[in-house]
Amino acid sequence: DIQMTQSPSSLSASVGDRVTITCRASQTISNYLNWYQQKPGKAPKFLIDVVSNLQSGVPSRFSGSGSGTDFTLTISSLQPEDFATYYCQQSYSTPSTFGQGTKLEIK
Amino acid sequence: QVQLVQSGSEVRKPGASVKVSCKASGYRFTRFAMNWVRQAPGQGLEWMGCFNPNTGNATYAQGFTGRFVFSLDTSVTTAYLQISSLKAEDTAMYYCARSPSVRYYGMDVWGQGTTVTVS
Repeated sequence: DIQMTQSPSSLSASVGDRVTITCRASQTISNYLNWYQQKPGKAPKFLIDVVSNLQSGVPSRFSGSGSGTDFTLTISSLQPEDFATYYCQQSYSTPSTFGQGTKLEIK
Repeated sequence: QVQLVQSGSEVRKPGASVKVSCKASGYRFTRFAMNWVRQAPGQGLEWMGCFNPNTGNATYAQGFTGRFVFSLDTSVTTAYLQISSLKAEDTAMYYCARSPSVRYYGMDVWGQGTTVTVS
């Protein structure tokens, strides 16, 4: 199985900050990397697929990049509604696997 | 609108079985795979597997074989997750989520989740 490792596991930041979350795959996954946002008590929300394709309605302050095994999610200017847990997921092979999550908290 | 609506919370005793449903609406049901994702209390997301309506085949992740069964009833556009011989460690939130295929695509629509408590 492909292991997905996110860093950091948690992150404190302020409104307006630029933050970057990293996701590393244990083997190449081409560009089949997705990102989700989950708020407490809610289902995950699909943010980005194939590394950098923003889903409809996702603000442009979110962006994704990377290839092969190393990927990043960047939020250019944090807004209050962005404080949540973020997960990466590879859909290159089955079983699909998620990173362990990055909890983004208000500083 | 496109949505997945899951059945309500369940409480079962160890050794019992449970069947969670996921009712789809607003899209052509058979054109999307249905994934199941587990989230244990305070933990991350874990892909359990998926059901491909085109092939009628289910794919199960390691750790979800044997006691876990995915199925679909296309006549009522509903997917099911059945768990038998429940254990305390099955206590979790279970989500259904669709994807355009088994591989390559993300899961764009999610159910609201069903809490299963084994106690």
